[in-house]
Amino acid sequence: DQQVKQNSPSLSVQEGRISILNCDYTNSMFDYFLWYKKYPAEGPTFLISISSIKDKNEDGRFTVFLNKSAKHLSLHIVPSQPGDSAVYFCAASLSNFGNEKLTFGTGTRLTIIP
Amino acid sequence: ETGVTQSPTHLIKTRGQQVTLRCSSQSGHNTVSWYQQALGQGPQFIFQYYREEENGRGNFPPRFSGLQFPNYSSELNVNALELDDSALYLCASSSPTGVFGYTFGSGTRLTVV
Repeated sequence: DQQVKQNSPSLSVQEGRISILNCDYTNSMFDYFLWYKKYPAEGPTFLISISSIKDKNEDGRFTVFLNKSAKHLSLHIVPSQPGDSAVYFCAASLSNFGNEKLTFGTGTRLTIIP
Repeated sequence: ETGVTQSPTHLIKTRGQQVTLRCSSQSGHNTVSWYQQALGQGPQFIFQYYREEENGRGNFPPRFSGLQFPNYSSELNVNALELDDSALYLCASSSPTGVFGYTFGSGTRLTVV
């Protein structure tokens, strides 16, 4: 039972354009959502998060949108840069406590074309 | 010392063998979690340790076990290895300040032949 889904395994975007990565979830009890970025041979690194009480969180070029009624979130990167090429994972947790487990999606490989 | 370090980086084992993977947590982080990332999948929660006690477990059989030490370093042990255990094993440490504070190591790539 895949509770967090990323239906696009890959995405290619021209440098300078907007990248939009999507994520859907099924468990309405999820309270906190995170995006991680992963380069080959490295562990996932935290990118941005959003609490279920918000519908938008912005950090520089990265914005996460949450639509609770649709159980959908998206990550917008604008403008996209070559260094953004990586695998992006959406993750969800039942709370924001540091001892909460994360449930991950299967990832989307983003390629930025120069 | 900052960051999470894992050892070894790569490992090849034979089916039926036992393996121990190690993790050194980020300073100040008293919670350590282990995740398994199979090829083409996202990381899956194996279990978590908080103050040396298991504090939650995912859908993994008992042959997956762990330890956390007083210095917050941790081990993941897998007995009776199966071919499907081939994966990247990620260790993550966190503090009570928030789940966004998870810090992942680079992982150990285990291949079972």
